[in-house]
Amino acid sequence: GAVVSQHPSWVICKSGTSVKIECRSLDFQATTMFWYRQFPKKSLMLMATSNEGSKATYEQGVEKDKFLINHASLTLSTLTVTSAHPEDSSFYICSARTWTSGRNEQFFGPGTRLTVL
Amino acid sequence: RKEVEQDPGPFNVPEGATVAFNCTYSNSASQSFFWYRQDCRKEPKLLMSVYSSGNEDGRFTAQLNRASQYISLLIRDSKLSDSATYLCVVNWGQNFVFGPGTRLSVLP
Repeated sequence: GAVVSQHPSWVICKSGTSVKIECRSLDFQATTMFWYRQFPKKSLMLMATSNEGSKATYEQGVEKDKFLINHASLTLSTLTVTSAHPEDSSFYICSARTWTSGRNEQFFGPGTRLTVL
Repeated sequence: RKEVEQDPGPFNVPEGATVAFNCTYSNSASQSFFWYRQDCRKEPKLLMSVYSSGNEDGRFTAQLNRASQYISLLIRDSKLSDSATYLCVVNWGQNFVFGPGTRLSVLP
């Protein structure tokens, strides 16, 4: 399958700081990437859909001014958690959509574990 | 009604057992269907796509019933390493909707 990387894989930061997470498609171009959040023992929750060259589409309840998404190229999308607070501590996972054999498929990055102190 | 529903489990089965998961979806315009596997504290990984005619990959068999809007996954001769959460995913357009997942524990 296609390879998606995320950086960093884990980060610990102080409350009030901003954290930037990168998602890269390594061997394909992704016009669409997705950002998810997952709390312990909970389901994946879609935060936003990121389209290259345009504004991200956020899911209901996700603050676009707090979770800034930039998808400036076909292989890179970034999520910035601004003024992070302890309740933002979570597992953030990106994925990229590909078109393979006549169907959409989605491949995930390894995730970024964020801990806000 | 949720867009994609799954029995959350957990399913606790002995090694070597056969176990089946079902998933129902509400959007009749859904185009593609997938099963993902997620291990604890890891990202979901594509297990298999589900084709209209049904498909098999080793011990895993996936079936699609468009009329009844459900997808199934059958695991034969289950291994300890099959313990994970199995996520049903339904796609239409650029939307991928995940079910809540079914937890499987294979016991020695």
